[in-house]
Amino acid sequence: AQSVTQLGSHVSVSEGALVLLRCNYSSSVPPYLFWYVQYPNQGLQLLLKYTTGATLVKGINGFEAEFKKSETSFHLTKPSAHMSDAAEYFCAVPSGGSYIPTFGRGTSLIVHP
Amino acid sequence: DTAVSQTPKYLVTQMGNDKSIKCEQNLGHDTMYWYKQDSKKFLKIMFSYNNKELIINETVPNRFSPKSPDKAHLNLHINSLELGDSAVYFCASSQRRVTGGNTIYFGEGSWLTVV
Repeated sequence: AQSVTQLGSHVSVSEGALVLLRCNYSSSVPPYLFWYVQYPNQGLQLLLKYTTGATLVKGINGFEAEFKKSETSFHLTKPSAHMSDAAEYFCAVPSGGSYIPTFGRGTSLIVHP
Repeated sequence: DTAVSQTPKYLVTQMGNDKSIKCEQNLGHDTMYWYKQDSKKFLKIMFSYNNKELIINETVPNRFSPKSPDKAHLNLHINSLELGDSAVYFCASSQRRVTGGNTIYFGEGSWLTVV
């Protein structure tokens, strides 16, 4: 079954600095990959979704992710961090016979003033 | 209008009690889910229903029983609560796509604390 691995449970950046959150998928090329964001005390919401074809995916709030088959990666980036970006970020992939999204363990983004 | 709403948001209860969490979605979706998020933020699927029929039932104690009276509602009933049941429970919904490109819409979560 497909799975994703998120490297780094916590990432700390200064406001205005580049944000890079890492996600690697397990094996065969998945038809879809997702990034979700969870703000404090809230549910998850979709940031962006990869579908076969477009390797650079743009999402909400200035985030984007690049699908790299050679590296089995789907890392999330943002050129300039804002304090409001502080949240938990989850990478996800459809898995199993019913293609229910399976989530990575999450990366907590901390933004310092 | 809240797309996926769940109640209660906070629930503190004693071990051994029975409790329910209700969930409703107004998005017209076919599929609904219950996820459990532990204290380390790990998110795990518990159940999935499609048009009131159970399609996913992960390894969850049978003290947990989902009920879907119609496709807009998926409630979670928990019997004989244990300390380890303390977590955040998320209801979610999506349109059903057989290839898995579903965007999942989450509720705000129900914080369950068992004392």
